[in-house]
Amino acid sequence: AQSVTQPDIHITVSEGASLELRCNYSYGATPYLFWYVQSPGQGLQLLLKYFSGDTLVQGIKGFEAEFKRSQSSFNLRKPSVHWSDAAEYFCAVGSASDYKLSFGAGTTVTVRA
Amino acid sequence: SQTIHQWPATLVQPVGSPLSLECTVEGTSNPNLYWYRQAAGRGLQLLFYSVGIGQISSEVPQNLSASRPQDRQFILSSKKLLLSDSGFYLCAWSGQLHNEQFFGPGTRLTVL
Repeated sequence: AQSVTQPDIHITVSEGASLELRCNYSYGATPYLFWYVQSPGQGLQLLLKYFSGDTLVQGIKGFEAEFKRSQSSFNLRKPSVHWSDAAEYFCAVGSASDYKLSFGAGTTVTVRA
Repeated sequence: SQTIHQWPATLVQPVGSPLSLECTVEGTSNPNLYWYRQAAGRGLQLLFYSVGIGQISSEVPQNLSASRPQDRQFILSSKKLLLSDSGFYLCAWSGQLHNEQFFGPGTRLTVL
């Protein structure tokens, strides 16, 4: 069975500083990997996705993530955060053989001025 | 383009009352459909998913049920709500490739 771990429950970052959110997955074959963002009281929005090919993927809102098979990781990064990036971020893993996604528990990002 | 709707946006219901939450998708056909619940400060819990009309898979045994009467309509129901049913309910859809899911705006349910 596939699973996802987001080691950081809460991260606080200053506006303009860089951000990195960690995601580790467990899956035997090549996974499909996703990052979602959720603002309070809203649904989840897809930030970026990895299916195959280039291991560095670009997403919306200036985010990028890198797939590292050797480390079973798919960390999310942003060079310079804005106050509007304060939200909860979820990593998810899927596969070609399953209709479902497995979600991590989420990381809450607080941005301080 | 595809859009997903959920209603109502918020709902306050007494314990023991019935529930019906509706989700509809536009702009696609034969989507996979999903119901999730998010308790306060918690992650996502998959409740049900459906890969076709009348096909429902339950992930967690509880007093909720789901139905898919039409291709792009997914309904979450309960005959008698419990306090523990309070939460944020999210509907999502995915296509047949890669399983990337797209979420609706959610329904905030409070059971008193």
